[in-house]
Amino acid sequence: GQNIDQPTEMTATEGAIVQINCTYQTSGFNGLFWYQQHAGEAPTFLSYNVLDGLEEKGRFSSFLSRSKGYSYLLLKELQMKDSASYLCAVNDNTGKLIFGQGTTLQVKP
Amino acid sequence: ETGVTQSPTHLIKTRGQQVTLRCSSQSGHNTVSWYQQALGQGPQFIFQYYREEENGRGNFPPRFSGLQFPNYSSELNVNALELDDSALYLCASSLGGQLNTGELFFGEGSRLTVL
Repeated sequence: GQNIDQPTEMTATEGAIVQINCTYQTSGFNGLFWYQQHAGEAPTFLSYNVLDGLEEKGRFSSFLSRSKGYSYLLLKELQMKDSASYLCAVNDNTGKLIFGQGTTLQVKP
Repeated sequence: ETGVTQSPTHLIKTRGQQVTLRCSSQSGHNTVSWYQQALGQGPQFIFQYYREEENGRGNFPPRFSGLQFPNYSSELNVNALELDDSALYLCASSLGGQLNTGELFFGEGSRLTVL
């Protein structure tokens, strides 16, 4: 079966660092994506990992371990505008994305 | 560069009715995927169209159907609407159909409420 797990909710303080974990079990794998989605809006692309290791993009970094079926999204220097849902999604090698349920991050002052 | 546009943005229907949602893909993209996102959940894959043909389907009943036109725009049709069909319907465009390894570009979505 296809399964992607991520925590439902997280809370962090402005200026801090937060790590959002994602584990996956899919029939195929051709890359893992992280999307940010603000309430009532469309998902927007944050990062893409297809090889093991860390990809850094400004305040956001994403890590992938294919052998462990594990990824995380790291957000540094948190800002209030980072309050959103963060979606982990796997390309199952058929051109479609399998999404997790999303992690709602609340950033507090 | 033209982004993905969807219409209508919001609509309300009653049980048993039919609805058509529309999507214009990003310029140069030949693949359109449709996702259903219920409140508090991640998007669920409905189906994908590549070069005017259905190119993969998720676990949705036949009353969910679609079309892709020669200009790569697409429609999602849902017949015999049920209350559980209330959701945000997202269209995403990309290149290459099943060979796609790149990101999906999402439209703003059509929020459907079924009463």
